[in-house]
Amino acid sequence: DTAVSQTPKYLVTQMGNDKSIKCEQNLGHDTMYWYKQDSKKFLKIMFSYNNKELIINETVPNRFSPKSPDKAHLNLHINSLELGDSAVYFCASSQGGAGPTYGYTFGSGTRLTVV
Amino acid sequence: SQQGEEDPQALSIQEGENATMNCSYKTSINNLQWYRQNSGRGLVHLILIRSNEREKHSGRLRVTLDTSKKSSSLLITASRAADTASYFCAFNTGTASKLTFGTGTRLQVTL
Repeated sequence: DTAVSQTPKYLVTQMGNDKSIKCEQNLGHDTMYWYKQDSKKFLKIMFSYNNKELIINETVPNRFSPKSPDKAHLNLHINSLELGDSAVYFCASSQGGAGPTYGYTFGSGTRLTVV
Repeated sequence: SQQGEEDPQALSIQEGENATMNCSYKTSINNLQWYRQNSGRGLVHLILIRSNEREKHSGRLRVTLDTSKKSSSLLITASRAADTASYFCAFNTGTASKLTFGTGTRLQVTL
């Protein structure tokens, strides 16, 4: 069984469109994250939720809106997509909201291409 | 930038050789972790070392941490072709459950 699953795996869309990426984890972890990996492989955190509560919101355009309906799900909605949003988006989860004492478990990523 | 810096950026070795990659950071940390990313895949957690630890082993992996120099190294012994991947260090700096990642080292192991 997949521990952290993201859908879709690939997403190609036009500028200006709105799209969503879904993430689910079946590990019972209490904290979930969205990371963005750019073309140079640099990973940057975007958001983190602990038990459905937003605890990290890095400097991300407000076109990006995370939603956590329960602690097993963290979705990412992006409005008015721009070319610069093209990247691979990773969902991850961990146990321990006050500082991970164990590693993150990552999903396999969603490659978003804006044309 | 609080991002970790890794060197080398790329490393090419032959199967059976050892691979060493280094990570430097700028702030105090709670722990430091290493991850592997195969091409087109997600990251896989390899090993975690706490700030009060100096060395840790897991199979063919050996991690060291020098908090006075704000640096860590990952040694992979007796490398295999399957070790070909990008390796990232990541560190946790505060009470927030945020990992800051390094710039990564691309390891190529040839037969």
